[in-house]
Amino acid sequence: GNSVTQMEGPVTLSEEAFLTINCTYTATGYPSLFWYVQYPGEGLQLLLKATKADDKGSNKGFEATYRKETTSFHLEKGSVQVSDSAVYFCAPRPASGGSYIPTFGRGTSLIVHP
Amino acid sequence: NAGVTQTPKFRILKIGQSMTLQCTQDMNHNYMYWYRQDPGMGLKLIYYSVGAGITDKGEVPNGYNVSRSTTEDFPLRLELAAPSQTSVYFCASSYGPWDRGADTQYFGPGTRLTVL
Repeated sequence: GNSVTQMEGPVTLSEEAFLTINCTYTATGYPSLFWYVQYPGEGLQLLLKATKADDKGSNKGFEATYRKETTSFHLEKGSVQVSDSAVYFCAPRPASGGSYIPTFGRGTSLIVHP
Repeated sequence: NAGVTQTPKFRILKIGQSMTLQCTQDMNHNYMYWYRQDPGMGLKLIYYSVGAGITDKGEVPNGYNVSRSTTEDFPLRLELAAPSQTSVYFCASSYGPWDRGADTQYFGPGTRLTVL
């Protein structure tokens, strides 16, 4: 079956620090890979995605590269802001098998201090 | 577009009561989903639907029922509420299946349910 492992949180950083949130997955075939973000009191929203090996997804200064050889999709940002404080979810989604139902990681809480 | 809307935002139930969580999307999406989010546990899929009239169980379906009579609506029914169902419930939708898994899920704002 499909599974995803995210690094445990909370991750606490000072403003302008470098961020990495690790994500590794197991999935059949070649899944599409997603990062979703959940701001306090809200539902999840798409942050970025990549649909094939070596693709780089990017949005709002965040980046993640689809690494097929290591089955990873680590999220990075060069300089975090207080407004980036949120919970981040990695979600591989199978591209075969019929149902295309994604698997969500446990989420990694990011806290950015001024 | 309103996107995905959920009602109510908050609800407190007594053990054994029943209720329906409403979910509506106006994006003409085929796929719809119900998740529950417990603290520190991420999202668990309760039920999903790939089109009107078609529903299927997810990871944690016990204690819940769904129906999908229209493309727009996907209500979630709790028949006999239990404290273990205290959670935040999210409805989501996506275009699917023609993007073969590459389509984005759009989430509602959630319903916070407490069962006492």
